[in-house]
Amino acid sequence: SQTIHQWPATLVQPVGSPLSLECTVEGTSNPNLYWYRQAAGRGLQLLFYSVGIGQISSEVPQNLSASRPQDRQFILSSKKLLLSDSGFYLCAGRWGLGYTFGSGTRLTVV
Amino acid sequence: GQQLNQSPQSMFIQEGEDVSMNCTSSSIFNTWLWYKQDPGEGPVLLIALYKAGELTSNGRLTAQFGITRKDSFLNISASIPSDVGIYFCAAMNYGGSQGNLIFGKGTKLSVKP
Repeated sequence: SQTIHQWPATLVQPVGSPLSLECTVEGTSNPNLYWYRQAAGRGLQLLFYSVGIGQISSEVPQNLSASRPQDRQFILSSKKLLLSDSGFYLCAGRWGLGYTFGSGTRLTVV
Repeated sequence: GQQLNQSPQSMFIQEGEDVSMNCTSSSIFNTWLWYKQDPGEGPVLLIALYKAGELTSNGRLTAQFGITRKDSFLNISASIPSDVGIYFCAAMNYGGSQGNLIFGKGTKLSVKP
């Protein structure tokens, strides 16, 4: 079965510090991969998606960037975090007809 | 752009009651999905619907893909405390190069024992 691994589970970072969240995929190859942000335990906002290595599409302008250096690795980054970057970040992968989500990273920028 | 209108936003019910929530859109989709998210976790797929008019059950959960392909509902029968969480509807048109899911804003369910 396909699994999405995300880490860390929680992260507290000061304003202005860099960020790197990693997502890896197990059990399949060539998935579409997605980064979502969820604020206040509600709706999911699509940030980035990738259909293959080195291919990144951004859905909303923001302080974050994404990269896909390997087929099963998707990274969310920032050079300088803002307070407004706080939230719950979810990685998801699509295989065929379904989406599978990782367990998320709770980011608090202080 | 395409949007899913999910209602209600939140529900407070007594244990044992039935729950109903729905999602509508002005756009047509060929796939509807329902997810549940427990606090601090990622959403987990509950039910997937791939055919207009399809009615699918998963234990106490029942979901239907609307005949117009613009809506879907989820029912939970005889709710229990572990049903607490946020339920999301999602839809997409599978077959495109992206097939990106669109999500509703969620229904937050609280169950009183």
